[in-house]
Amino acid sequence: RKEVEQDPGPFNVPEGATVAFNCTYSNSASQSFFWYRQDCRKEPKLLMSVYSSGNEDGRFTAQLNRASQYISLLIRDSKLSDSATYLCVVNNLTNSGYSTLTFGKGTMLLVSP
Amino acid sequence: DTEVTQTPKHLVMGMTNKKSLKCEQHMGHRAMYWYKQKAKKPPELMFVYSYEKLSINESVPSRFSPECPNSSLLNLHLHALQPEDSALYLCASSQEAPTRGFRYGYTFGSGTRLTVV
Repeated sequence: RKEVEQDPGPFNVPEGATVAFNCTYSNSASQSFFWYRQDCRKEPKLLMSVYSSGNEDGRFTAQLNRASQYISLLIRDSKLSDSATYLCVVNNLTNSGYSTLTFGKGTMLLVSP
Repeated sequence: DTEVTQTPKHLVMGMTNKKSLKCEQHMGHRAMYWYKQKAKKPPELMFVYSYEKLSINESVPSRFSPECPNSSLLNLHLHALQPEDSALYLCASSQEAPTRGFRYGYTFGSGTRLTVV
């Protein structure tokens, strides 16, 4: 089983739509969770951290379900500028005791007029 | 200053060349990272430096040689690369040291797009 799994999409939605992405992770000891956004041929940029109680930032809502080991991202009122690849990122401890971020393959979102 | 700066942005090199990628951050971050990203793939970790010491080497071939001259700078020296090493090389830094969970994630530079011919 891959460490971080996402539906690659693409998700094609019209402007104004609500869209949700899910992500599952394999390591039950994972400590921190993030959503990053990556535009074509650009670097990943942190969109938001994901907290156990769920958190919201404007049109974006992130949820974490530790029991089921999945993370979700909800985007409301989609804008054309939301078109990008959304990377689910999980923090794991390595065998040597160090902590690193592991990236999912990303889910592509295309918002059309 | 909340940026991670990488140079050069683009690099084309032959298989016998020696080149270096540079990364700089002035946010006082304690850890710096090199990632490699191929097209349509997620970033893959190569090296982690914590407090200027190499903490993790993800079994990267010796033709990639990292160096951390000080807490703000991270270099990646390249020698005798292969065409399959062509990729986007991303530098990142984190406020927290990689010995505990991350609350704040990483900040990435814009990357160096490397082509090996």
